[in-house]
Amino acid sequence: NAGVTQTPKFQVLKTGQSMTLQCAQDMNHEYMSWYRQDPGMGLRLIHYSVGAGITDQGEVPNGYNVSRSTTEDFPLRLLSAAPSQTSVYFCASPKRGSGAFFGQGTRLTVV
Amino acid sequence: GQQVMQIPQYQHVQEGEDFTTYCNSSTTLSNIQWYKQRPGGHPVFLIQLVKSGEVKKQKRLTFQFGEAKKNSSLHITATQTTDVGTYFCAGPNAGGTSYGKLTFGQGTILTVHP
Repeated sequence: NAGVTQTPKFQVLKTGQSMTLQCAQDMNHEYMSWYRQDPGMGLRLIHYSVGAGITDQGEVPNGYNVSRSTTEDFPLRLLSAAPSQTSVYFCASPKRGSGAFFGQGTRLTVV
Repeated sequence: GQQVMQIPQYQHVQEGEDFTTYCNSSTTLSNIQWYKQRPGGHPVFLIQLVKSGEVKKQKRLTFQFGEAKKNSSLHITATQTTDVGTYFCAGPNAGGTSYGKLTFGQGTILTVHP
C-alpha cells in the first residue's frame, strides 16, 4: 500500500513547454486534489475531483488542466508553462472523516 | 471565500521551550485539521478536531478547537529538535462532497535550537 505516488520528483521546463504531473493513489479514496506550495502562502488548491469523471476548480486553476478517468489516477497538465508556475506541487487524497494523504511532491522550475 | 490565517509565521525556540501556533478562520468550520511538514518533505496529517471546544493530546502536542469553531491552536510542550518543521492548519468547506476541499493557513515555521 503505497498511498499517494507522484512523478516526477523534479522537473525543469522552458517557458511555453507543456507537461503532465502524474498522481496515483491505491487507497480507493473518492477524493483527489492538487495543491501548489509557494513560500509564505501555504498550500493553495488548484483542482480537485470527487470521483471518476468529476473535476472542479480550486483557488488557482488558471494554466492547469485535470482529468479523472479512473479512481486511482489524477494527472495535472500544464498547458504552456510560465515562470509564475515555478512551485512545489502536491497531490493529495483526503479521506472522509479524517485528513489527507499527500504525495512526495514535484519541484517544478520554469525558466 | 473562506480564509484561514495562521500566526506566527516563524518561531525560533531553544530546545525544551514550549511552542504555540494559532489558526483563525473567517467562517465556521465543520472541522479543523493539523499537518506537519518537515523541511524538504510533504505535509503529514496529524489530527482532526470536530467538536466545539474539543481538546486532543498526542504526547507533547495539545490541539484545541475553539467554542465558535472558528479558531484552533497547537501547543508543543518542551520542544525537541525532532519538532522542527512547518505546522499547517486546514479547514474544509462545509458539507457534502466538499470535505476534501481544504483551505490551508500559511503555516508556522518552527526552528528549534539545541
